[in-house]
Amino acid sequence: GQQVQQSPASLVLQEGENAELQCNFSTSLNSMQWFYQRPGGSLVSLFYNPSGTKHSGRLTSTTVIKERRSSLHISSSQTTDSGTYLCALEPSGSWQLIFGSGTQLTVMP
Amino acid sequence: NAGVIQTPRHKVTGKGQEATLWCEPISGHSAVFWYRQTIVQGLEFLTYFRNQAPIDDSGMPKERFSAQMPNQSHSTLKIQSTQPQDSAVYLCASSLDSGSDYTFGSGTRLLVI
Repeated sequence: GQQVQQSPASLVLQEGENAELQCNFSTSLNSMQWFYQRPGGSLVSLFYNPSGTKHSGRLTSTTVIKERRSSLHISSSQTTDSGTYLCALEPSGSWQLIFGSGTQLTVMP
Repeated sequence: NAGVIQTPRHKVTGKGQEATLWCEPISGHSAVFWYRQTIVQGLEFLTYFRNQAPIDDSGMPKERFSAQMPNQSHSTLKIQSTQPQDSAVYLCASSLDSGSDYTFGSGTRLLVI
């Protein structure tokens, strides 16, 4: 079955609201990573997070290995946050990434 | 640092023709990866090299697809006898070591008609 399950598939927010994106995984991992992609754009790395919590501006990533989950929290969303957010698992013993299916975020003004 | 450079940005081929996609990784990065992105399948791993050596090609379709890394400064992905189902965005990435500096190129959008 799928090794990485990402939710929700899509999310619509009003500007200023917070967002919580989730990824659950079913295999042992070296790390979980989060990427951002604009339509037609490349992937931009947001977090490399093997475990624990990391912050970057309005973004927070938390990976809990024991519970096999990782989350991305976006606070005070802005219209420029709109796009696709992807989590990706780096399985133990490999350098490849296994991607979730993505969350399409739309932030309305 | 120009990042990971992929050429061409767009490519249109006729069914049955060959397509070669190019990737120039970030200088000093030891690993180079190829992925494919489609609406239906999402992002799929194809293959990767470490220090120019092929390490894992488990995601590559066994027929028609091949990848090479003849030197540190570029890798190629070749698709022979292209089919419409090969239409996708092909993404190249490089990293310094075990994935902590993953950097993606802008991709090559391949359309097979």
